[in-house]
Amino acid sequence: DAGVIQSPRHEVTEMGQEVTLRCKPISGHNSLFWYRQTMMRGLELLIYFNNNVPIDDSGMPEDRFSAKMPNASFSTLKIQPSEPRDSAVYFCASSPSGSGYNEQFFGPGTRLTVL
Amino acid sequence: GNSVTQMEGPVTLSEEAFLTINCTYTATGYPSLFWYVQYPGEGLQLLLKATKADDKGSNKGFEATYRKETTSFHLEKGSVQVSDSAVYFCALTVGAQGGSEKLVFGKGTKLTVNP
Repeated sequence: DAGVIQSPRHEVTEMGQEVTLRCKPISGHNSLFWYRQTMMRGLELLIYFNNNVPIDDSGMPEDRFSAKMPNASFSTLKIQPSEPRDSAVYFCASSPSGSGYNEQFFGPGTRLTVL
Repeated sequence: GNSVTQMEGPVTLSEEAFLTINCTYTATGYPSLFWYVQYPGEGLQLLLKATKADDKGSNKGFEATYRKETTSFHLEKGSVQVSDSAVYFCALTVGAQGGSEKLVFGKGTKLTVNP
């Protein structure tokens, strides 16, 4: 069975450019989470969706970041304009229900480098 | 608020040594507790979990017991292998009563096991 799919796996871009990260959750999962991982700050939750609706975006660092989930099988995280401090590994995870008691299944991550 | 504190790494052990990674938490409600593992270049995956006091989670020779009186969930393994080299994250979530469905992660502990 396919797990959570993220693309691209690696992205190198220049400061000021728009970056779009993509995620396909596991079929049937109705919660989706976006995380950012850096050495300095560890693993941070940016935003999560339940049934395609954003529930909590308090972790989104600033207005340059936006996330959408147009349907149950696709989500995007966009950074516009990108800055060097956005360099990190971005993970998408999905869960079979909204309850936090359930396991979250993580994708392999997108390593973003902003020059 | 909800938070997780785990021992700082890195931890370096020889094969077949005993492993303990300490984890303590603070929570506004009654949390469920998790250990996730991240192998090099991969996303996180659930290692074990416990949902109520005195529960013991176990998997792949790892164990952790939910200790409400000491607000702890220490990870242990009796005999580590080289293949256990990874970063280990302690995490919690408070269910609907706590108003949050988010996983709150510790900063991670890097384990290296030498042959």
